[in-house]
Amino acid sequence: QQPVQSPQAVILREGEDAVINCSSSKALYSVHWYRQKHGEAPVFLMILLKGGEQKGHEKISASFNEKKQQSSLYLTASQLSYSGTYFCGIINAGNNRKLIWGLGTSLAVNP
Amino acid sequence: DVKVTQSSRYLVKRTGEKVFLECVQDMDHENMFWYRQDPGLGLRLIYFSYDVKMKEKGDIPEGYSVSREKKERFSLILESASTNQTSMYLCASSPRGGSGANVLTFGAGSRLTVL
Repeated sequence: QQPVQSPQAVILREGEDAVINCSSSKALYSVHWYRQKHGEAPVFLMILLKGGEQKGHEKISASFNEKKQQSSLYLTASQLSYSGTYFCGIINAGNNRKLIWGLGTSLAVNP
Repeated sequence: DVKVTQSSRYLVKRTGEKVFLECVQDMDHENMFWYRQDPGLGLRLIYFSYDVKMKEKGDIPEGYSVSREKKERFSLILESASTNQTSMYLCASSPRGGSGANVLTFGAGSRLTVL
């Protein structure tokens, strides 16, 4: 079952914060976050594992809420370089390590 | 700088042609993947390979085949290209075990247009 990402798109001014959510209908084992800039390959940001700690990558951090079966990506004090599409990939508990991708959240950071 | 290299960034082919998309990685990764990316449909797995000469179907294998004769190279083959195979194709690789097995390194993509 494909995870649901929200919002589908967000526009920020430089310095503003944003939250992107990734929700699963089944129990999560791990959540993976990638960013794809326009015309480029997706790039790995971080993995969150069930029972693991909140992760961070520069001013981007993420949490894993096992009860809600959801992960949230936090972009703090956004920079122009944060623009792109953010994808979450999930591995559900017991699904043989198959990575299932969300449809992505488009983020635009304007000056 | 480690990377995944896709041989063609842009290709234009005619319906019925045989198309080869090549992917090479220099990270000694065991796992390699082919995805297609379409607006509104996200990333969809076509095939993957976890070892030389091994392959497994992904979610949308119809109309595609793959070849992995060497560890570093994974080829996607469209036996008879059709217009609905017009898409961006992304190759990725990852190491075998542990949580790193799902840390994918992607190539820059091959945009295929079938006329």
